[in-house]
Amino acid sequence: NAGVTQTPKFRILKIGQSMTLQCTQDMNHNYMYWYRQDPGMGLKLIYYSVGAGITDKGEVPNGYNVSRSTTEDFPLRLELAAPSQTSVYFCASSYRGQHEQFFGPGTRLTVL
Amino acid sequence: AQKVTQAQTEISVVEKEDVTLDCVYETRDTTYYLFWYKQPPSGELVFLIRRNSFDEQNEISGRYSWNFQKSTSSFNFTITASQVVDSAVYFCALSEAEDSNYQLIWGAGTKLIIKP
Repeated sequence: NAGVTQTPKFRILKIGQSMTLQCTQDMNHNYMYWYRQDPGMGLKLIYYSVGAGITDKGEVPNGYNVSRSTTEDFPLRLELAAPSQTSVYFCASSYRGQHEQFFGPGTRLTVL
Repeated sequence: AQKVTQAQTEISVVEKEDVTLDCVYETRDTTYYLFWYKQPPSGELVFLIRRNSFDEQNEISGRYSWNFQKSTSSFNFTITASQVVDSAVYFCALSEAEDSNYQLIWGAGTKLIIKP
């Protein structure tokens, strides 16, 4: 099992550009989450999904969108990148009934 | 309201010393889960342990041990004979059984520096 994989590992965007951060898990987990971690800070939940076709907002959803068409994939879309979105983005997943979350390696995004 | 407090922002010790990271939580739920995660300088987040609210037994795994005390709402993490490789940011987190979305409430993290 590869676990949770994220691509790309690094990305630099210009203000106003768009991009999609990819997240895939091969553990057949129902629940998936997107977090951001600003330098020296903790984790903030952006969006989460409890299954294919079901998504909901977390603590900091503004400027982002998600979709969940399959159990395995949970992409995060940034439509109009802003410097405030410079952060490390983590995707995580968990299995129904198991509250612990397993994390991908993260995507380091810089918006200039 | 749910909350996790890690009051120690940064701890620095010399290798081989024992060190305890504090975690205090707040919840109204009677069934909940507590977690510790490690984030080494390489950046990944590594799951260390889950403890259920109905199991107050302390846990030991090698040099790591966890002390769960419901009476003080604490779930502290002790590293015995610390090593340089233990240097990382450690996060404590809480999940409530009544939350069907299984969201984690995170502490702010404690940065642990082990000096050789």
